[in-house]
Amino acid sequence: KAGVTQTPRYLIKTRGQQVTLSCSPISGHRSVSWYQQTPGQGLQFLFEYFSETQRNKGNFPGRFSGRQFSNSRSEMNVSTLELGDSALYLCASSRSTSGSTDTQYFGPGTRLTVL
Amino acid sequence: SQQGEEDPQALSIQEGENATMNCSYKTSINNLQWYRQNSGRGLVHLILIRSNEREKHSGRLRVTLDTSKKSSSLLITASRAADTASYFCEYDYKLSFGAGTTVTVRA
Repeated sequence: KAGVTQTPRYLIKTRGQQVTLSCSPISGHRSVSWYQQTPGQGLQFLFEYFSETQRNKGNFPGRFSGRQFSNSRSEMNVSTLELGDSALYLCASSRSTSGSTDTQYFGPGTRLTVL
Repeated sequence: SQQGEEDPQALSIQEGENATMNCSYKTSINNLQWYRQNSGRGLVHLILIRSNEREKHSGRLRVTLDTSKKSSSLLITASRAADTASYFCEYDYKLSFGAGTTVTVRA
């Protein structure tokens, strides 16, 4: 069974631009979560999608948004990029149907650098 | 958000030694999981322990859970260079990852 894939793996953008990251979950997994990881803040939850609906949201500004498609693939978008958005963005999928903890399977991440 | 707190933040040990790290949390939980992250990569699930379990083993890993103290510990026995990584605990929900414990195993 193929693992979680994320594209692109590396991305360089400049301040003010926007970016879209993509995540393909493990086949059969309907929950996709996104995290931002930085050296200073650690692993921070962005949002979770289940069946094309945002089920949970972390404490990030509205510049961060996401969506999920009918095949469970998910995208996240960051608009008006700031230097502080430079981070490793991780996507994780799980079978979770009830919203409670289920084992998450992480992708390799997208390394975003904002100049 | 409620975050698990891993302790210590960093740990350096000699190959063959044991490594112990702790995770504390603030609310009642249904289960707790430990993950490992090798440098700059995604997290890998290691082990899940449910609130009605006190100890669980998986290979060289031993996890304990003390719900009265709201804490869990992860023990890696006979460490290897490949165990060099950051270790995170997650409890009950995705919001709850801590800053992690960075383990360095010296040859």
